[in-house]
Amino acid sequence: KAGVTQTPRYLIKTRGQQVTLSCSPISGHRSVSWYQQTPGQGLQFLFEYFSETQRNKGNFPGRFSGRQFSNSRSEMNVSTLELGDSALYLCASSSGQGRSPLHFGNGTRLTVT
Amino acid sequence: GENVEQHPSTLSVQEGDSAVIKCTYSDSASNYFPWYKQELGKGPQLIIDIRSNVGEKKDQRIAVTLNKTAKHFSLHITETQPEDSAVYFCAADLSGNTPLVFGKGTRLSVIA
Repeated sequence: KAGVTQTPRYLIKTRGQQVTLSCSPISGHRSVSWYQQTPGQGLQFLFEYFSETQRNKGNFPGRFSGRQFSNSRSEMNVSTLELGDSALYLCASSSGQGRSPLHFGNGTRLTVT
Repeated sequence: GENVEQHPSTLSVQEGDSAVIKCTYSDSASNYFPWYKQELGKGPQLIIDIRSNVGEKKDQRIAVTLNKTAKHFSLHITETQPEDSAVYFCAADLSGNTPLVFGKGTRLSVIA
């Protein structure tokens, strides 16, 4: 069974630009969560989508948004990029039913210059 | 909301020794506590988890203990090997529909 796939693996953007990251979950998984990982803050929860609906949202500004498609694939968008947005963005999928474990992808490394 | 503190932030042990990582949580209603291992260039991978109705769980060389009264849980790795070198994260969860809250990680180095 294929794991969680995130594309692209690396991105370099300039301040003020916007970026879209993609996540393909494990087949059959309906929940996709996004986390931001930075050296100082660890893993910070961004949002979770389940069956195309946002089920949970973390404490990030409105510049961070996401969506989920009918095939459970998810995208995350960051508009008006800031230097502080440089981080590893991790996507995780699960069945979304009860206490199902999260399966993480290998992340997208975003660098904002 | 839930807050998870993890200690130490870095840990070096000799190969064959044991390693212990400790976490505390703030919300007494949390009832699920997974541990993740993140190797260089990869995403975190679940290695073991424990639910609040269990005090200890073992899987080969790794074990997790939970003290609900004190609101802390620990990861124990015995007979450490160089391939155990990684960053380890603890997490806590209130319910199946709330997001996991992670500790800030422990970088474990096993010295051969």
